[in-house]
Amino acid sequence: KAGVTQTPRYLIKTRGQQVTLSCSPISGHRSVSWYQQTPGQGLQFLFEYFSETQRNKGNFPGRFSGRQFSNSRSEMNVSTLELGDSALYLCASSLRQGTADTQYFGPGTRLTVL
Amino acid sequence: KNEVEQSPQNLTAQEGEFITINCSYSVGISALHWLQQHPGGGIVSLFMLSSGKKKHGRLIATINIQEKHSSLHITASHPRDSAVYICAVRFGASGGGADGLTFGKGTHLIIQP
Repeated sequence: KAGVTQTPRYLIKTRGQQVTLSCSPISGHRSVSWYQQTPGQGLQFLFEYFSETQRNKGNFPGRFSGRQFSNSRSEMNVSTLELGDSALYLCASSLRQGTADTQYFGPGTRLTVL
Repeated sequence: KNEVEQSPQNLTAQEGEFITINCSYSVGISALHWLQQHPGGGIVSLFMLSSGKKKHGRLIATINIQEKHSSLHITASHPRDSAVYICAVRFGASGGGADGLTFGKGTHLIIQP
């Protein structure tokens, strides 16, 4: 089975722009979670989607949003980019809803905001 | 505030040594994950546990629910075990709870040959 894929792998944007990141889960997995990793804050939970519905949301401003499609692929969007949004964005898929299930991580998208 | 504390923050050991990494959390959880991250960013899930002990190869993970503490052990450590090990918990009494994962800061492990 193919693993979790994320596109693009690297992205450079300027402040004020918006960005969309994509995540394709392992075939058959219906849950997709998104995480942000920075040197200062470490890994932080952004949100989780299951069956096209957002089930959980972390403590991030409304500029961070996401969605999940009927094929379980997920996108996250960040609007009005700030320098502090520079980070590695990881998605993970799991078979069942909820993060009390083994998470399979993608390679991440490294976003740089200039 | 729900918190996850890991120790040590950094650990350097010689090949063959027995390694222990600790994780403590503040309130009840429904699941605890041990993750491994190599340079370059890729994260691999090592264990997910809610009670007892699990073993996979040279890796052993234990959890004590009453003491709110988990340990990850590596036996016969090898330089390829060098990585960042991260503890993550899902707070809440049930697997379908409303919380995502809360992560520890990670333990940077270096195994010297």
